[in-house]
Amino acid sequence: RKEVEQDPGPFNVPEGATVAFNCTYSNSASQSFFWYRQDCRKEPKLLMSVYSSGNEDGRFTAQLNRASQYISLLIRDSKLSDSATYLCAVTPNTGGFKTIFGAGTRLFVKA
Amino acid sequence: NAGVTQTPKFQVLKTGQSMTLQCAQDMNHNSMYWYRQDPGMGLRLIYYSASEGTTDKGEVPNGYNVSRLNKREFSLRLESAAPSQTSVYFCASRNSAGQGSTDTQYFGPGTRLTVL
Repeated sequence: RKEVEQDPGPFNVPEGATVAFNCTYSNSASQSFFWYRQDCRKEPKLLMSVYSSGNEDGRFTAQLNRASQYISLLIRDSKLSDSATYLCAVTPNTGGFKTIFGAGTRLFVKA
Repeated sequence: NAGVTQTPKFQVLKTGQSMTLQCAQDMNHNSMYWYRQDPGMGLRLIYYSASEGTTDKGEVPNGYNVSRLNKREFSLRLESAAPSQTSVYFCASRNSAGQGSTDTQYFGPGTRLTVL
């Protein structure tokens, strides 16, 4: 089993739709959680960190479920510009300086 | 403030050739990383440097060497390139060197390498 797993998609949604992605992690001692966005042929960029209490940034909401060992990303009112690959990332508590990335979930938002 | 820069952006090598990928950051970050990204595989850590003067193997270190030249620069060397090393290589840096750091990583624009 991979340390961090994501559904590769693609998710094809119309503009204005709400879409959610999950990401599961295997190391229960994981400490830090992130969502990155990666546009085609570009580098990953931080979208948001994921806090234990859940956090929201505009149309984006991230949540952490430690009991079931997954994090989620909810995008409301999807825009064409949200089309990208979304990577989840986990920093294990015992991993020192390393961050483990999922393979990413592709999202296509259609007009 | 350029962030993380990488050179070259593109490179084509023949099997057996060597080359060095350069990475520099101007954010005074302690930790630096080299990843490769292949379709369906996500980002895989090759080597990292927790702080100046230290380097450690990541998930896929075979066929690569690194040098943390100073706090700003972290290079990745392929001594004898193989077709299996065809990939997109990303350098990244992070501020905190502490275990389980919550600080995010900042990525360079990537180097697209093809080995024929």
